[in-house]
Amino acid sequence: EVQLVQSGTEVRKPGESLKISCKVSGYDFSIYWIHWVRQMPGKGLEWVGNIYPADSKTGYNPSFQGQVTISADRSTSTAYLQWSSLEASDTAIYYCSRGDGNCGSCTPWYWGQGTLVSVSS
Amino acid sequence: QSALTQPPSASGSPGQSVTISCTGTHRNVGGYNYVSWYQQHPDKAPKLIIFEVIKRPSGVPDRFSGSKSGNTASLTVSGLQAEDEADYYCSSHAGGNNVVFGGGTKLTVL
Repeated sequence: EVQLVQSGTEVRKPGESLKISCKVSGYDFSIYWIHWVRQMPGKGLEWVGNIYPADSKTGYNPSFQGQVTISADRSTSTAYLQWSSLEASDTAIYYCSRGDGNCGSCTPWYWGQGTLVSVSS
Repeated sequence: QSALTQPPSASGSPGQSVTISCTGTHRNVGGYNYVSWYQQHPDKAPKLIIFEVIKRPSGVPDRFSGSKSGNTASLTVSGLQAEDEADYYCSSHAGGNNVVFGGGTKLTVL
């Protein structure tokens, strides 16, 4: 069974750094794209970016490029989304999702439960 | 990249059919057959219900169907049921490794 288990709720202050995780099981982590998706309070889904763990190739939404970093650790089957300096506007639920279908980089399929990130002074 | 355009709301009575549109450009919806639809109930993670425009994952009822014409994709929910009340999002491949989502449609079952 494909499972994506995300790290728990995070509360931070503006300017702080943060790294959230998405640990997968039930399949070969290396050969499926992992997507990150943001959902701000009461708002819709926004694609943040993705990574192909086998070679760590990444893609970013231009709106998030330079604001976040996506990485993967094949030894622990875990993907990460990190910020070096959080802003209040980063407050949101962040979902990881495994890609699948004929275009894994195109189709988020299996989803984690989401990680709530709250940034406030 | 701009979000795909969806109507903010849609509604129908039980048993009726409702169609939700998703409009993009030739750079996303019109250029690729990689349109997906997701159902999201309150405080839950999204669930894939349509992929590659017309395909349904295992376990998704055939009441859900997808289509595309030009730069607009559509999701039709037939035989509406109370549990279909949720937010629905489309997404599309947008070239390279990029994905773009629609703004979402709140479906109300009257």
